[in-house]
Amino acid sequence: EAQVTQNPRYLITVTGKKLTVTCSQNMNHEYMSWYRQDPGLGLRQIYYSMNVEVTDKGDVPEGYKVSRKEKRNFPLILESPSPNQTSLYFCASRQTSGSYEQYFGPGTRLTVT
Amino acid sequence: SQQGEEDPQALSIQEGENATMNCSYKTSINNLQWYRQNSGRGLVHLILIRSNEREKHSGRLRVTLDTSKKSSSLLITASRAADTASYFCATEAVNDMRFGAGTRLTVKP
Repeated sequence: EAQVTQNPRYLITVTGKKLTVTCSQNMNHEYMSWYRQDPGLGLRQIYYSMNVEVTDKGDVPEGYKVSRKEKRNFPLILESPSPNQTSLYFCASRQTSGSYEQYFGPGTRLTVT
Repeated sequence: SQQGEEDPQALSIQEGENATMNCSYKTSINNLQWYRQNSGRGLVHLILIRSNEREKHSGRLRVTLDTSKKSSSLLITASRAADTASYFCATEAVNDMRFGAGTRLTVKP
């Protein structure tokens, strides 16, 4: 089954404790991205990657890091989480040509206290 | 920053009625997509309309695009309780996809 998976689905952590949210897709998509969703603000892009070893900032990259060492994986790293990073996070992937439909993961709800 | 802005923010209708949601955007686009999100879950792609298309249909969905007005509409005909969800438009330029804040649709049985 074609899918994007994220782990963990729920996470409660404390300010300053480094964490990683994993994202993996099994569709051989070149393009992957991370979004955060906050009430009233829709989805805002954090980082995206056009292919392995190619990453770029989205609209709200501050406080986040990403890496793309393998085509299928695109982890999101919060080196020193702060309460304003409490949000619902989505990973997505798509092809870079033809259909531009994005496939979304189920989301990770992060709470930073 | 957001590109698309949906209108209305919330819409409540009875089962069987049609639901219309609108999306306005600011800059030139390659395509516009509509997604659906059930509460707290991932977004699901509904339909894509390219900038050179004016109307597209998929089942009970009808999407229009007016590039001169930089606006799009999503019509869901004969709505069902299961259509209750949030609907987002997403505009795509080169390697840049922007989402609006969404329209929350409630369909009462």
